[in-house]
Amino acid sequence: GNSVTQMEGPVTLSEEAFLTINCTYTATGYPSLFWYVQYPGEGLQLLLKATKADDKGSNKGFEATYRKETTSFHLEKGSVQVSDSAVYFCALRKGNKLVFGAGTILRVKS
Amino acid sequence: DVKVTQSSRYLVKRTGEKVFLECVQDMDHENMFWYRQDPGLGLRLIYFSYDVKMKEKGDIPEGYSVSREKKERFSLILESASTNQTSMYLCASSTQTSGTRDTQYFGPGTRLTVL
Repeated sequence: GNSVTQMEGPVTLSEEAFLTINCTYTATGYPSLFWYVQYPGEGLQLLLKATKADDKGSNKGFEATYRKETTSFHLEKGSVQVSDSAVYFCALRKGNKLVFGAGTILRVKS
Repeated sequence: DVKVTQSSRYLVKRTGEKVFLECVQDMDHENMFWYRQDPGLGLRLIYFSYDVKMKEKGDIPEGYSVSREKKERFSLILESASTNQTSMYLCASSTQTSGTRDTQYFGPGTRLTVL
């Protein structure tokens, strides 16, 4: 079936450090892939997406590249800020539904 | 600005009570969803609806029902609340229009505690 696996957190970084959050998926065909972010006390919001192999999604300094060879969609940011502290969810689209990973907590210290 | 609102941010109920969680969206979206969010499990789909009066079971529908009488409103019902339904409940909506249907818009969530 369709599933998403994310690296376990929490991930704790100092401000301006490089961020990678790993995400791999299992799916039939080539689903659209997403990263959603949930800031404290809020619902989820779309961070970026990629709809086909080799696409790169980017937003707010975050990037992720759709790699079909490794079935991965890792999230990266070159220099994190305290305001990036949140929970990050990787997801794939199956029809009109999304399948989410377990989420990764990111904590950025000043 | 797109908006999904949920009736309560925090709710405390007793075991056996009937609980209603309301969700309203102002974007004229066809699709609406109810998820529950638990630590280490991510978001799990309870029910979704792709049109008024239409509903489909998600991955964990047991103990829940839904109602969609109007396009903008999607209600989640716990017929007889149990302690294992203590969780964060998130509502979302999306359009069916090709090219934009990927994005789901989420409400702020309702944290339900069942005592």
